Amino acid sequence: GAVVSQHPSRVICKSGTSVKIECRSLDFQATTMFWYRQFPKKSLMLMATSNEGSKATYEQGVEKDKFLINHASLTLSTLTVTSAHPEDSSFYICSARVSTGLPYEQYFGPGTRLTVT
Amino acid sequence: AQSVTQPDIHITVSEGASLELRCNYSYGATPYLFWYVQSPGQGLQLLLKYFSGDTLVQGIKGFEAEFKRSQSSFNLRKPSVHWSDAAEYFCAVGASYQKVTFGTGTKLQVIP
Repeated sequence: GAVVSQHPSRVICKSGTSVKIECRSLDFQATTMFWYRQFPKKSLMLMATSNEGSKATYEQGVEKDKFLINHASLTLSTLTVTSAHPEDSSFYICSARVSTGLPYEQYFGPGTRLTVT
Repeated sequence: AQSVTQPDIHITVSEGASLELRCNYSYGATPYLFWYVQSPGQGLQLLLKYFSGDTLVQGIKGFEAEFKRSQSSFNLRKPSVHWSDAAEYFCAVGASYQKVTFGTGTKLQVIP
């Protein structure tokens, strides 16, 4: 149980285009999902917290107009990188918190490798 | 603010040897503590967690960790390492608003 999927697993796009990454909780409902960014050989940096049916809460320094997050249902959150540039190339990981679970207990997706050329 | 320190960036152990990965945290209240493992190009898998109760917690894959409040530590241990344990290990502390703060990770290399 508690499986989180991400799609796509890997994407290459041209500079200036937009890319959408999906995060799905497959066998549980997630009122809260989180989006992280991981730089090479670095830890995970929380970008935003996404709550179903409401606006995402972005961490300081994260451009909300560039990283659009939508949490339309209890099993799906999407991250859209708008007008992507090479510096947006990174490994993006989502996680989901079980609605009835203990605080802080999150399950992570396998990640999406974004390369902007 | 909460923080997590993993002092060892890289550790190399021989297969079959014991392992201890260090983790120190800073948090003003009772912490929720986690250890995650990440294989190259993959997401994070939860190894174990501490919320309350017994300070020695058992996890998957033969790992255990001990919460020591007096030392603000939550070290991860395994008595006998397998080659498949080579990966990156992250310690994390549960912070406010459900957010989790991660350490910088320890890369484990296992030599035959």
